[in-house]
Amino acid sequence: AQSVTQLGSHVSVSEGALVLLRCNYSSSVPPYLFWYVQYPNQGLQLLLKYTTGATLVKGINGFEAEFKKSETSFHLTKPSAHMSDAAEYFCAVSDTGANNLFFGTGTRLTVIP
Amino acid sequence: DSGVTQTPKHLITATGQRVTLRCSPRSGDLSVYWYQQSLDQGLQFLIQYYNGEERAKGNILERFSAQQFPDLHSELNLSSLELGDSALYFCASSTGGGLVLDEQFFGPGTRLTVL
Repeated sequence: AQSVTQLGSHVSVSEGALVLLRCNYSSSVPPYLFWYVQYPNQGLQLLLKYTTGATLVKGINGFEAEFKKSETSFHLTKPSAHMSDAAEYFCAVSDTGANNLFFGTGTRLTVIP
Repeated sequence: DSGVTQTPKHLITATGQRVTLRCSPRSGDLSVYWYQQSLDQGLQFLIQYYNGEERAKGNILERFSAQQFPDLHSELNLSSLELGDSALYFCASSTGGGLVLDEQFFGPGTRLTVL
């Protein structure tokens, strides 16, 4: 069965520093992978997704993620953190039939001025 | 504002009771999705409806049911409520019927507290 592991429930970075949020998945076949962001008191917003094709995926707000099959990873990065990036980030993987989504436990990002 | 509306914003009820959560999708969207976010279970996909028909099913309990009406609004019914059902319930909508391929737009959620 598909599952997602997000390493680090809390990550703090300084403003302007690199953001790296880790996500590893388990899947017997190439999955579809997602990153969502949840701002306080709001619903989720899709940052980016990998379905097929190029393994480096660019998303909104300067975020990108790279699908690495050999490492079963889909880590999220942003070169320079902004205060507005403070939020909770969820990695998700779909099942093979694209009929279910499995979410990680989330990583809360704090940006220190 | 995503354009997805959910009512009520907050709901407090007792164990054993039944509640109905309502969702109105964005104008023109045919799919509605329901999610549960709780401290114990994390974020879980529950169910998807597309143009009135069930399209995908996730980790939805048998005590829970949903439907989508001809005007495309959806209701999530939760019955025989337990303390563990306390959670934030999100609705999302999308234009097409693909759980994976279509971007979903999320509502603000309904916070359910079961006492």
